[in-house]
Amino acid sequence: SAVISQKPSRDICQRGTSLTIQCQVDSQVTMMFWYRQQPGQSLTLIATANQGSEATYESGFVIDKFPISRPNLTFSTLTVSNMSPEDSSIYLCSAATGEAFFGQGTRLTVV
Amino acid sequence: QQQVKQSPQSLIVQKGGISIINCAYENTAFDYFPWYQQFPGKGPALLIAIRPDVSEKKEGRFTISFNKSAKQFSLHIMDSQPGDSATYFCAASMRGGATNKLIFGTGTLLAVQP
Repeated sequence: SAVISQKPSRDICQRGTSLTIQCQVDSQVTMMFWYRQQPGQSLTLIATANQGSEATYESGFVIDKFPISRPNLTFSTLTVSNMSPEDSSIYLCSAATGEAFFGQGTRLTVV
Repeated sequence: QQQVKQSPQSLIVQKGGISIINCAYENTAFDYFPWYQQFPGKGPALLIAIRPDVSEKKEGRFTISFNKSAKQFSLHIMDSQPGDSATYFCAASMRGGATNKLIFGTGTLLAVQP
């Protein structure tokens, strides 16, 4: 299994600002993913982040709004840009090593 | 075709009883079916997973039953305990398992009453 640490665990941000979420894995992994989860709802994939290539975004998510970095095999960041209250959600990082493991999530509130 | 349908939305079970959660899919290219358990304020934790070459997989009190022809799979929690109270998600992926993206079901909120 992989241990995944996300920072920050929660934040309250002003609309129009940006927040960068960090995801650190305790081992090298090929595939990392970013999900969004509204409270009480299911997980929706935002993008797949592979080291050395551009992230692949799912329908409804764009790079300008959710830029992703993947500088090495143990680390990734997701930025939520120009935030609005609709971006209030839980953001989850996942790493796959044959099986997929998740961080504890970042609870974002935009006011 | 990319959806995974999950039922029930919520479930109340008495301690010691059997909890059953069902999922169905349409895309026959799916070849990996995990179940995740999520407690409030935590990320999902992998419980158990199955591939379509077997019809059942058991790990402790948790069993996945898989029906390839019906395109359905289910999670059975035997001897349910109050500590099992959580939200459960089924998921599916294709082309190599979880190293490819997971499509999640809508979730089932399980409450086990003492």
